[in-house]
Amino acid sequence: GENVEQHPSTLSVQEGDSAVIKCTYSDSASNYFPWYKQELGKRPQLIIDIRSNVGEKKDQRIAVTLNKTAKHFSLHITETQPEDSAVYFCAALSGYSTLTFGKGTMLLVSP
Amino acid sequence: GAGVSQSPSNKVTEKGKDVELRCDPISGHTALYWYRQSLGQGLEFLIYFQGNSAPDKSGLPSDRFSAERTGGSVSTLTIQRTQQEDSAVYLCASSLGVGETQYFGPGTRLLVL
Repeated sequence: GENVEQHPSTLSVQEGDSAVIKCTYSDSASNYFPWYKQELGKRPQLIIDIRSNVGEKKDQRIAVTLNKTAKHFSLHITETQPEDSAVYFCAALSGYSTLTFGKGTMLLVSP
Repeated sequence: GAGVSQSPSNKVTEKGKDVELRCDPISGHTALYWYRQSLGQGLEFLIYFQGNSAPDKSGLPSDRFSAERTGGSVSTLTIQRTQQEDSAVYLCASSLGVGETQYFGPGTRLLVL
């Protein structure tokens, strides 16, 4: 089955800096890669996703890049703000079935 | 429109008791998923329903766990003879279909004493 590794497990940045979270996956058949943000005590919320037919997608301060050859994808947050502080999860969909999630990255943005 | 809803929001039970957790997916979503999230951990897949197909139960941790989905809509996750290690947040998600965006419910926080 699919295996998703996510790094780092924690990330501290100053407000205004950029943050990058990286994930690798094992199943070359995986074709959909969403990123979820989970604030403390809240449900995971989709913030951006990418499918295997594109290499990059941007939405304001958030971007995701995908390297199918290397089987890794990354989340980039620019001009970080304190409200970006949360746990971020990457995931990969393979076999037309379920998502396999990474273990999460706790992002702390200090004012 | 209404999102995914779950009930109860919190459940405290004694070891050995059975519990039922409910999930109401977004109307029209054919796929429904259950995940478990232990404190500070990622999301562990439990079971997946797609339309009228047989569910994918490959993530259920033991035979004490089971789930049903009636009429292609509401789902119930049942944990029999609960153990302390079952304490976690149980999250439900739904999507329009396979490979589509999954939307999560607020979760049920289960504490087994």
